Amino acid sequence: NAGVMQNPRHLVRRRGQEARLRCSPMKGHSHVYWYRQLPEEGLKFMVYLQKENIIDESGMPKERFSAEFPKEGPSILRIQQVVRGDSAAYFCASSIQGAENTGELFFGEGSRLTVL
Amino acid sequence: TQLLEQSPQFLSIQEGENLTVYCNSSSVFSSLQWYRQEPGEGPVLLVTVVTGGEVKKLKRLTFQFGDARKDSSLHITAAQPGDTGLYLCAGGGNQFYFGTGTSLTVIP
Repeated sequence: NAGVMQNPRHLVRRRGQEARLRCSPMKGHSHVYWYRQLPEEGLKFMVYLQKENIIDESGMPKERFSAEFPKEGPSILRIQQVVRGDSAAYFCASSIQGAENTGELFFGEGSRLTVL
Repeated sequence: TQLLEQSPQFLSIQEGENLTVYCNSSSVFSSLQWYRQEPGEGPVLLVTVVTGGEVKKLKRLTFQFGDARKDSSLHITAAQPGDTGLYLCAGGGNQFYFGTGTSLTVIP
């Protein structure tokens, strides 16, 4: 009965490198959300995906950031050519129906990205 | 655009005191949720309010949804150190928004 699994928990990258964050939703959940959080702040919506589809990516920067949720395997949030401002905690959440219907998201423990 | 504004942003109180956290928006929501997040972990759902004017109680926590479904409040009675954490309201459609958060510290 595993919850939402995110890895890596901690990731250190130098400016210009790529960061790849993975999220395995709860079993039976086909809706995935990615959020970004800075210390002592709320969560900023980035992207909402269902299997093989991006439903809403309006919160994601248009450059360097991309997300996918393939038919098989985890959802991936990819940040190319990282900059120091990308340093943050990135949280993934899954839902069985979509948050607008159930209101309940199950969160992973987050991936903390540090860009040197 | 941040649709959900929470106040206060930070709150530090003594054990046993009462407190209220507010979540306000200019938009109407079909429902609002309250989550609690502890350091190093993801948020966990506390409650969902759906009907305007609705009041829900969860032990020492009382949640209220405004009549116009634009705002909500969380009242904690006799706060305990275990209540320490970041409290977040949330709601929306495809863009499921979280509020700006209230960081609560309860001092023993």
